[in-house]
Amino acid sequence: TQLLEQSPQFLSIQEGENLTVYCNSSSVFSSLQWYRQEPGEGPVLLVTVVTGGEVKKLKRLTFQFGDARKDSSLHITAAQPGDTGLYLCAGSYGQNFVFGPGTRLSVLP
Amino acid sequence: SAVISQKPSRDICQRGTSLTIQCQVDSQVTMMFWYRQQPGQSLTLIATANQGSEATYESGFVIDKFPISRPNLTFSTLTVSNMSPEDSSIYLCSVLNRTYEQYFGPGTRLTVT
Repeated sequence: TQLLEQSPQFLSIQEGENLTVYCNSSSVFSSLQWYRQEPGEGPVLLVTVVTGGEVKKLKRLTFQFGDARKDSSLHITAAQPGDTGLYLCAGSYGQNFVFGPGTRLSVLP
Repeated sequence: SAVISQKPSRDICQRGTSLTIQCQVDSQVTMMFWYRQQPGQSLTLIATANQGSEATYESGFVIDKFPISRPNLTFSTLTVSNMSPEDSSIYLCSVLNRTYEQYFGPGTRLTVT
């Protein structure tokens, strides 16, 4: 069974701070996706990373896929209250996905 | 990306009854999935909804409890049968596009009393 771990589990920060959340596995994935889920909503796809070592930037969010395609990180610069939510990583191998437990982020104004 | 809608968005049901959740996609998709998300938890895959054939269930989920229909490439239903309070969850449908990116519906929040 392929498992994904995420850390930290919970994170509460002040507006304007930077943060990094991590997604780790002992397994290799063909790609990895990051989602943000707000209360009462379904997860929204933020990014897909495919190539080992790949870095993608989405405004204040920077995503990195590990060289061995087993881990990933999400870095948020100058966090805003609108970044509050549950961040989920999901590793895929073909049509199959495994989701991490999520990092619940709270950005306080 | 695909636009996915679910009905109902939420419901409160009595123990022992059944609820059918609908998932509609704005384009034809091959792969559709049903997930459960229990309070404060991550997503657990229930089954893959196959068009024209029986759904493929994950370990711990059975057809008698969670029957699924997939009559065409844009629509699927999930029924939660003989409900108990332990079935209180958010139920999500998702689709996979041709580049293996997964998109989710808004979810159905089910409370069983």
